[in-house]
Amino acid sequence: ETGVTQTPRHLVMGMTNKKSLKCEQHLGHNAMYWYKQSAKKPLELMFVYNFKEQTENNSVPSRFSPECPNSSHLFLHLHTLQPEDSALYLCASSQGGTTYNEQFFGPGTRLTVL
Amino acid sequence: TQLLEQSPQFLSIQEGENLTVYCNSSSVFSSLQWYRQEPGEGPVLLVTVVTGGEVKKLKRLTFQFGDARKDSSLHITAAQPGDTGLYLCAGGIGTYKYIFGTGTRLKVLA
Repeated sequence: ETGVTQTPRHLVMGMTNKKSLKCEQHLGHNAMYWYKQSAKKPLELMFVYNFKEQTENNSVPSRFSPECPNSSHLFLHLHTLQPEDSALYLCASSQGGTTYNEQFFGPGTRLTVL
Repeated sequence: TQLLEQSPQFLSIQEGENLTVYCNSSSVFSSLQWYRQEPGEGPVLLVTVVTGGEVKKLKRLTFQFGDARKDSSLHITAAQPGDTGLYLCAGGIGTYKYIFGTGTRLKVLA
């Protein structure tokens, strides 16, 4: 595997379910990001981790819970979501330190909440 | 609230035409990136500009960062069907934070 991978690619869940999204980067980067991309809004930064430490939480509701066990893996745990949380969730990584660095994005997980 | 407005939102042109996409904000950014996203994929970086007034060229694409580092433009010369996609600008704030633009969806017809 190369680059940034995300699983699953598609997920349908009910509002009472609990599920997790997984992201893995094979680039040796130290920073990892979760973004939300919905049809009617710009790409929104949700969380940033640098060397496993959370450095940004963009006022995300607590029903989204991130976990970064090491610099290569990032999870997004989901519980009691709402239909408006349906979106494409993108993971990215960068060799952090500045916003001059390129972010490498995964293909995303298309989430539908029923 | 920091916002990056892109214009136009949608653009459909014939192969060979030129076009310009604009990215505007009232905020100052430390860097400005342009990405292209195709269906079913994540965005892919095209360029990063960091100095006010900077111009960068990538084959038929020309990128400019405004003097005040609040705005940017992307100009495509002689567009080709392979240029079709969603173009996103992203402003860098601080160390790890990026604000993405509203997006411009480009379709180039053969």
